[in-house]
Amino acid sequence: DVKVTQSSRYLVKRTGEKVFLECVQDMDHENMFWYRQDPGLGLRLIYFSYDVKMKEKGDIPEGYSVSREKKERFSLILESASTNQTSMYLCASSFNRQTSKNQPQHFGDGTRLSIL
Amino acid sequence: GQNIDQPTEMTATEGAIVQINCTYQTSGFNGLFWYQQHAGEAPTFLSYNVLDGLEEKGRFSSFLSRSKGYSYLLLKELQMKDSASYLCAVRGGWAGNNRKLIWGLGTSLAVNP
Repeated sequence: DVKVTQSSRYLVKRTGEKVFLECVQDMDHENMFWYRQDPGLGLRLIYFSYDVKMKEKGDIPEGYSVSREKKERFSLILESASTNQTSMYLCASSFNRQTSKNQPQHFGDGTRLSIL
Repeated sequence: GQNIDQPTEMTATEGAIVQINCTYQTSGFNGLFWYQQHAGEAPTFLSYNVLDGLEEKGRFSSFLSRSKGYSYLLLKELQMKDSASYLCAVRGGWAGNNRKLIWGLGTSLAVNP
């Protein structure tokens, strides 16, 4: 089974802090994604990566950056946390070149981040 | 633009059948996914359609019509644990290794006893 692990289930930080959210997958997936999910707005893509050191902006990248130094790990960074970044953050991964058919995204359990 | 529409809320009775519809308008099409998401949890993959027709997986089935930009998820013999949000997502134009998905806002299904 695919395992996507996010470092924290719940996190509370203060306005202006630099916040790191970590995600690790164990399926040798090429693609990794960071979403945030808010009531009434659904899943919104922040950033994704299709290879080590490669990244692409999603729909709402402002205020965020990412890092992918190793294939299995994808980090989301809130440069200077603000209250409007309080949300559920979900990491996902997909696509292994050895099994190219039917490639869903697999999600971690999510991090509920509160910025005070 | 790219858009996915699904009803916001549905209710059904335990033991019954419910159909959740999804219509999409995307630039290119390379597969449609259904996910289930219980409150406070992450989405979990249910089904995938890329060709027209019905895919059956136990109590759940998913149908696709590419010409109509339409899919539905059919849940049979409903159980209380099926109360969840159901998300429709489309993979758009082929990008070599299936990258982004376009997500609907989800349909919140309440199953009543």
